Amino acid sequence: LAKTTQPISMDSYEGQEVNITCSHNNIATNDYITWYQQFPSQGPRFIIQGYKTKVTNEVASLFIPADRKSSTLSLPRVSLSDTAVYYCLVGDSNYQLIWGAGTKLIIKP
Amino acid sequence: EAGVTQSPTHLIKTRGQQATLRCSPISGHTSVYWYQQALGLGLQFLLWYDEGEERNRGNFPPRFSGRQFPNYSSELNVNALELEDSALYLCASSLGAGVGNEQFFGPGTRLTVL
Repeated sequence: LAKTTQPISMDSYEGQEVNITCSHNNIATNDYITWYQQFPSQGPRFIIQGYKTKVTNEVASLFIPADRKSSTLSLPRVSLSDTAVYYCLVGDSNYQLIWGAGTKLIIKP
Repeated sequence: EAGVTQSPTHLIKTRGQQATLRCSPISGHTSVYWYQQALGLGLQFLLWYDEGEERNRGNFPPRFSGRQFPNYSSELNVNALELEDSALYLCASSLGAGVGNEQFFGPGTRLTVL
């Protein structure tokens, strides 16, 4: 059974790079790893997804090692508006969706 | 293009009653997911429907049930409400099944059980 582990919370300062790692074992070998962002009183929204190595879009990068047992979401030069909860999402071998518990990121001025 | 819509926005019930929550997915999306989010906590997966069939359910008692209609809209029913059912219920839709299909979330229904 797949399981995910994320840090419960993290603090950082404006302008810094923030890396959030999700550990996940027994995930499907042929499915994506996806990250979502959630602001208070809103539903989560998609940030980025990848299968292996590195993916970059306009808001984040995602690093996935070859063994795919973890993934790291990287937010470059964060601002106060990046304060949110970040979730990783993976699939297991039975194609069940496994959400992480979420990492509460607080950005300080 | 309209996003995922949910109704009602807020719902207040008393213990033992039944609640019905509704969700309309984005046009063209066939998969609908339901989640429970208690105050200050993470997402708890409830149900997943695709093409009218229940594909998976989370670790919730049978009094949580639902269905998906031919137009892909969905309904979540919670019977015999308990105080701990008070939470934000989020619906999401995607074009297809699996992690690789981006889920688009609605604004949620805030259920309060008194």
